[in-house]
Amino acid sequence: AQSVAQPEDQVNVAEGNPLTVKCTYSVSGNPYLFWYVQYPNRGLQFLLKYITGDNLVKGSYGFEAEFNKSQTSFHLKKPSALVSDSALYFCAVRGRGANNLFFGTGTRLTVIP
Amino acid sequence: EAGVAQSPRYKIIEKRQSVAFWCNPISGHATLYWYQQILGQGPKLLIQFQNNGVVDDSQLPKDRFSAERLKGVDSTLKIQPAKLEDSAVYLCASSLEATYQETQYFGPGTRLLVL
Repeated sequence: AQSVAQPEDQVNVAEGNPLTVKCTYSVSGNPYLFWYVQYPNRGLQFLLKYITGDNLVKGSYGFEAEFNKSQTSFHLKKPSALVSDSALYFCAVRGRGANNLFFGTGTRLTVIP
Repeated sequence: EAGVAQSPRYKIIEKRQSVAFWCNPISGHATLYWYQQILGQGPKLLIQFQNNGVVDDSQLPKDRFSAERLKGVDSTLKIQPAKLEDSAVYLCASSLEATYQETQYFGPGTRLLVL
């Protein structure tokens, strides 16, 4: 069985500070990991994914994520937060042999001006 | 490149009524997904199509939900009859292929409220 945990429902960060949104996963075999962002009344937008290779993945809008196999984590990071980054962030995992993406419950990021 | 299109964007119905949602995937995308997102939760897969065939409908409540993708392009999801617990956002997504590493691209969703 596959699962994703996003331990923080809400993350607040000041504009210009670094941000981290946490994600841990459980899956059989090697995982495929994804981050999506959801703005109000809009669908999910793809940010980045880890398939294989370099553990540090760079994505859209200056976001990056680090895959840590020993800790089964895939935390989303950005060096300097913008107010426009305020949104709902979803981590998702897909195990080899699984048809679907399994999503976490989401973390609401608020960047304070 | 146009994204995934969905309509309507909002729908309000009474319980026991029927409702249908439409999705047009990104051009050339063979795989189409319907997800249900209940408030406060992540999206959950309802059904996956590869061209016009069903790959996975194990989570689809088949007594009331149905979906089709007759020509392997656009798709319709229907609920009949609707229950209060069907209130959710219904997201359509598409990907080029069904391989594990393929990125799924999502439409804006249809927000359904069942009264």
